[in-house]
Amino acid sequence: RKEVEQDPGPFNVPEGATVAFNCTYSNSASQSFFWYRQDCRKEPKLLMSVYSSGNEDGRFTAQLNRASQYISLLIRDSKLSDSATYLCVVNGRGYNKLIFGAGTRLAVHP
Amino acid sequence: EPEVTQTPSHQVTQMGQEVILRCVPISNHLYFYWYRQILGQKVEFLVSFYNNEISEKSEIFDDQFSVERPDGSNFTLKIRSTKLEDSAMYFCASSEEDLDTGELFFGEGSRLTVL
Repeated sequence: RKEVEQDPGPFNVPEGATVAFNCTYSNSASQSFFWYRQDCRKEPKLLMSVYSSGNEDGRFTAQLNRASQYISLLIRDSKLSDSATYLCVVNGRGYNKLIFGAGTRLAVHP
Repeated sequence: EPEVTQTPSHQVTQMGQEVILRCVPISNHLYFYWYRQILGQKVEFLVSFYNNEISEKSEIFDDQFSVERPDGSNFTLKIRSTKLEDSAMYFCASSEEDLDTGELFFGEGSRLTVL
């Protein structure tokens, strides 16, 4: 089983749509969880951390289910500028490295 | 806003040549990393560096790779004898704290093409 698994997409959605991405991770010892965004041929940038209680940042909502080892990202009211690849990222306790999923590509069209 | 800077942005080299990729992490950061991304594939961890020594490395980081912090600001990745499969984007990153609590900041990357 891959350490971090994501649906590669692409998700093609119209502006204003709500879209959800899912991610599963294999290491039950993982303690920190993140969503990163990567634009084409650019560096990954932190979008948001994911907390056990779930958290929201504007149009973005992240959820974590430790029992199922599952992370989600919900984007509401999609904008053209949201078009990018969204990377699910985890860190294990005692390990100072991030493990990246392969990413889910989102294309928002007018 | 402070940022991680990398040079060169793109390097083309012949197979078997040595390559050094350079990075200047954010000045008050203590943890440094190299990641790579082969075109169309995921971002992969190579090595982490703290207190002037390697703290972790992946299976990819074999004897052909080395890292160094030669002075107080630069952090370099050396590939001794490049192979075709080393062609990738190499990202340097740094964090102020360890990754249990700290955020990772990436540079814009150095694209390495091995011919």
